[in-house]
Amino acid sequence: DGGITQSPKYLFRKEGQNVTLSCEQNLNHDAMYWYRQDPGQGLRLIYYSQIVNDFQKGDIAEGYSVSREKKESFPLTVTSAQKNPTAFYLCASSIGQAYSNTDAFFGHGTRLTVV
Amino acid sequence: RKEVEQDPGPFNVPEGATVAFNCTYSNSASQSFFWYRQDCRKEPKLLMSVYSSGNEDGRFTAQLNRASQYISLLIRDSKLSDSATYLCVVSHYTGGFKTIFGAGTRLFVKA
Repeated sequence: DGGITQSPKYLFRKEGQNVTLSCEQNLNHDAMYWYRQDPGQGLRLIYYSQIVNDFQKGDIAEGYSVSREKKESFPLTVTSAQKNPTAFYLCASSIGQAYSNTDAFFGHGTRLTVV
Repeated sequence: RKEVEQDPGPFNVPEGATVAFNCTYSNSASQSFFWYRQDCRKEPKLLMSVYSSGNEDGRFTAQLNRASQYISLLIRDSKLSDSATYLCVVSHYTGGFKTIFGAGTRLFVKA
């Protein structure tokens, strides 16, 4: 089945640790995105990538890093510099080509908690 | 100014009511428009695309006004199951499509 997979579903991090959230898609989509959602709040864009080996900062990139070495994969690292990382993290992908249907598909999300 | 802005609500309506959400976007070059629905603690899912001519899907009607740069979603005969957060989504092309999500409008439908 085609889709977008995030892992793990739940993640606990100690203060000062870096953690990496996985996002894999087999939809052959060019564009991938990471969003953060806090309780009762909307989505905020962390990073996005429109093509392999290229990515851009979103609205709240500080304390996060990403890589896009393969089309299928867009991992997000939450570094120790991110002071308030507890949130729901959503990865999405879309076709990304001009004049195509560009609605985005989401993974089920990762809930990160700092302990 | 945010690229996509929505009234966060919440909107509290009784069953059977008609409710409308508006969303404004700042990039006049935006090309694709969508409404997504997000249930509590779940990922957003596509509700419907929005076309220039307007489109309807059952009790849901979406409209686009390019001149004023806003899109709207109308829900008629609200059901309890419509309670969710509705996200406005806009895409534009900058060498690849960039998709921007609004913060969402929360809807509570009560019996």
